[in-house]
Amino acid sequence: DTEVTQTPKHLVMGMTNKKSLKCEQHMGHRAMYWYKQKAKKPPELMFVYSYEKLSINESVPSRFSPECPNSSLLNLHLHALQPEDSALYLCASSRTGEGTEAFFGQGTRLTVV
Amino acid sequence: AQRVTQPEKLLSVFKGAPVELKCNYSYSGSPELFWYVQYSRQRLQLLLRHISRESIKGFTADLNKGETSFHLKKPFAQEEDSAMYYCALTGNTDKLIFGTGTRLQVFP
Repeated sequence: DTEVTQTPKHLVMGMTNKKSLKCEQHMGHRAMYWYKQKAKKPPELMFVYSYEKLSINESVPSRFSPECPNSSLLNLHLHALQPEDSALYLCASSRTGEGTEAFFGQGTRLTVV
Repeated sequence: AQRVTQPEKLLSVFKGAPVELKCNYSYSGSPELFWYVQYSRQRLQLLLRHISRESIKGFTADLNKGETSFHLKKPFAQEEDSAMYYCALTGNTDKLIFGTGTRLQVFP
């Protein structure tokens, strides 16, 4: 299995909702990433987990809460989001992080209403 | 700080023409440079990385540390090369940072 799988593919949520994005990989990768991508913009790094520990938080607002329950799973918990948080959220994984190829999921298209 | 610059938002060429997508970077340590490609309705995927020094789909890229550049080249563009191309950098941390991207359009 050489894929990164993200669920759901699409999500519409209200500003008072709590939802979670899920990401799964079974390639034995030890680094996992969350990126946010707005239309016609590059992916912006949000969080990096390395060996199941949060290693990088790019000053992301606390309404986004990442979680890495085990080496294959990565979640992004969402609470009290704003309409400007609407974007494509990409998950990626790589063997170790430093200098290794990152594999990307198809993304979750999030719309906040 | 890590930074990747791609000066061209859009590059349009005719089929068979040479292509060069520019990428410049800023990083104080030893960088690892990559080119990622996103075809229409497909996920972002690695095209090539400087450390492997290989040609993928006819594309090559050479790391020039003196000019801090990692330009992507192909001698003869094909219509199926039309896509969004991102230059990316990582160093001795887990950060993988992307440039702003260049959309390549290859006309028949």
